[in-house]
Amino acid sequence: DGGITQSPKYLFRKEGQNVTLSCEQNLNHDAMYWYRQDPGQGLRLIYYSQIVNDFQKGDIAEGYSVSREKKESFPLTVTSAQKNPTAFYLCASSQQGRGTEAFFGQGTRLTVV
Amino acid sequence: AQTVTQSQPEMSVQEAETVTLSCTYDTSESDYYLFWYKQPPSRQMILVIRQEAYKQQNATENRFSVNFQKAAKSFSLKISDSQLGDAAMYFCAYRSELGAQKLVFGQGTRLTINP
Repeated sequence: DGGITQSPKYLFRKEGQNVTLSCEQNLNHDAMYWYRQDPGQGLRLIYYSQIVNDFQKGDIAEGYSVSREKKESFPLTVTSAQKNPTAFYLCASSQQGRGTEAFFGQGTRLTVV
Repeated sequence: AQTVTQSQPEMSVQEAETVTLSCTYDTSESDYYLFWYKQPPSRQMILVIRQEAYKQQNATENRFSVNFQKAAKSFSLKISDSQLGDAAMYFCAYRSELGAQKLVFGQGTRLTINP
């Protein structure tokens, strides 16, 4: 089945640690995105990538880093510099083109303990 | 920068009735799309409907339709014959067709269906 896979579903991190969230897609989409979801704030864009080996900061990139070494993979690292990392993280991908649908993974719930 | 506003944090409707969710947006661009996404308790985001700004005709998808008022920058979603499975968070989203095709989301509206 084609789709986007995020792992793990739940992640616990101690303060001061970096953690990496995985996002893999087999839809052959060029563009991939990371969003953060907090209650009452909708989804906010962290990073996005339109092509392999290139990515851009979104609205809330501070404390996060990404890489795009392969078309199908777009991992997100939450660093210790992120002051409030507890949130639900969603990865998405889309095909280039007018009005194309963004497909989302099932998300990762990150909790700092 | 573009913004999307959903002013109704929560809505409820009786099963089989009709409900309308509101969305307004702000942009100076002319070439864009608007979307409604649904997020059920599973948290899987699902596309409900999309509207191209250049098209005057309102989009419809079965029981879901939109009222697109371009001059007023309004994009409401109407759900007819509400079903229990419609219970979810609904997000309105804007996407410019110029440059990077990033989605800008509203805050979301939680829809409850009363049996």
